[in-house]
Amino acid sequence: EAQVTQNPRYLITVTGKKLTVTCSQNMNHEYMSWYRQDPGLGLRQIYYSMNVEVTDKGDVPEGYKVSRKEKRNFPLILESPSPNQTSLYFCASSLQGRLHEQYFGPGTRLTVT
Amino acid sequence: KNEVEQSPQNLTAQEGEFITINCSYSVGISALHWLQQHPGGGIVSLFMLSSGKKKHGRLIATINIQEKHSSLHITASHPRDSAVYICAARGDNTDKLIFGTGTRLQVFP
Repeated sequence: EAQVTQNPRYLITVTGKKLTVTCSQNMNHEYMSWYRQDPGLGLRQIYYSMNVEVTDKGDVPEGYKVSRKEKRNFPLILESPSPNQTSLYFCASSLQGRLHEQYFGPGTRLTVT
Repeated sequence: KNEVEQSPQNLTAQEGEFITINCSYSVGISALHWLQQHPGGGIVSLFMLSSGKKKHGRLIATINIQEKHSSLHITASHPRDSAVYICAARGDNTDKLIFGTGTRLQVFP
């Protein structure tokens, strides 16, 4: 089944404790992206990747890192999480960026205390 | 002012009604996406369009590039259509998406 998976789905952590949210797709998509969703602000793009070893900042990249060492994986790294990073995070992929629709993962609800 | 604005923010309807959700944008775009977010949180892509009109089942999406406006229509609405509908604009020469804040639709039997 074609899908985007994220892990973990729920995470409660403390300020400053490094964490990684994994994202994987099995559709051989070139484009992958991370978004956060906050009440009243909607979805905002954090980082995106056009292909392996090619990443770029979205609108809210501060406090996040990403890497794209393999085509299928695009982990989101929070080196020192803070409470303002409490949010619902979505990973998405598409065949080739702007030209194609996006497939979304199920979301990761992160709480930083 | 947001670059992508949706209206209305909230919408209630009786089953069977015709629904229209509007999206206006202020940037030049290469494509506009319509997404559906279910009450459980999952997001599904409904349409991606750069001109004209697309139809899938009871859903129709239209876009007017000159007026920088898109609409999502739902014919013969059903309670299972209850969700948040989000439009997102992909700017010219960029792979960033700019999202509207969504329209929450509730359809009652």
